[in-house]
Amino acid sequence: NAGVTQTPKFQVLKTGQSMTLQCAQDMNHEYMSWYRQDPGMGLRLIHYSVGAGITDQGEVPNGYNVSRSTTEDFPLRLLSAAPSQTSVYFCASSYSRWLAGYEQYFGPGTRLTVT
Amino acid sequence: AQTVTQSQPEMSVQEAETVTLSCTYDTSESNYYLFWYKQPPSRQMILVIRQEAYKQQNATENRFSVNFQKAAKSFSLKISDSQLGDTAMYFCAFMKQDGNKLVFGAGTILRVKS
Repeated sequence: NAGVTQTPKFQVLKTGQSMTLQCAQDMNHEYMSWYRQDPGMGLRLIHYSVGAGITDQGEVPNGYNVSRSTTEDFPLRLLSAAPSQTSVYFCASSYSRWLAGYEQYFGPGTRLTVT
Repeated sequence: AQTVTQSQPEMSVQEAETVTLSCTYDTSESNYYLFWYKQPPSRQMILVIRQEAYKQQNATENRFSVNFQKAAKSFSLKISDSQLGDTAMYFCAFMKQDGNKLVFGAGTILRVKS
């Protein structure tokens, strides 16, 4: 049981490039989400999904796209990278869309630098 | 919208002593969940403790306990017998009863000194 995995762990992009951050979980969790962590701001929700085929925006969605074609995978796409997207990105998953309050399991994070 | 405030950017404590990290939040909800997460230098997010707002009893997990004051919207974390491995960033987080979205505070860096 690997839990929540993220790839890559580190990435450097040039302004304007696109890329996809991968996230996968093997716990059959319904709920998955992406956060970004910036100094002095904690973690902020980018996008989330309550199940395969269902996604919605969080607090800071601009510049990011997501899709959820399977229960296991929830990739985050940066369409045209900007220096403001330099951050640490975390994927998280939780047991059920209907039962709030459960622990969210986090991946190890991806440190992204946009030059 | 909910907000979470951690007013102590950094704290330090001697090994074996007790330290309290502060957290306040703002919400109009009556039922919700509160969490403390630990982020050591490895960057991994680890759940420390969880509190359900409808429970009056404060949650405890070994050396970690909370002081939950619902009327004051305060949720502090007490760490007893501090250990070097407690050195980390600690985040307070809020979750509404009808969803899974977490709202985080800015975090408190805790350094345990030997």
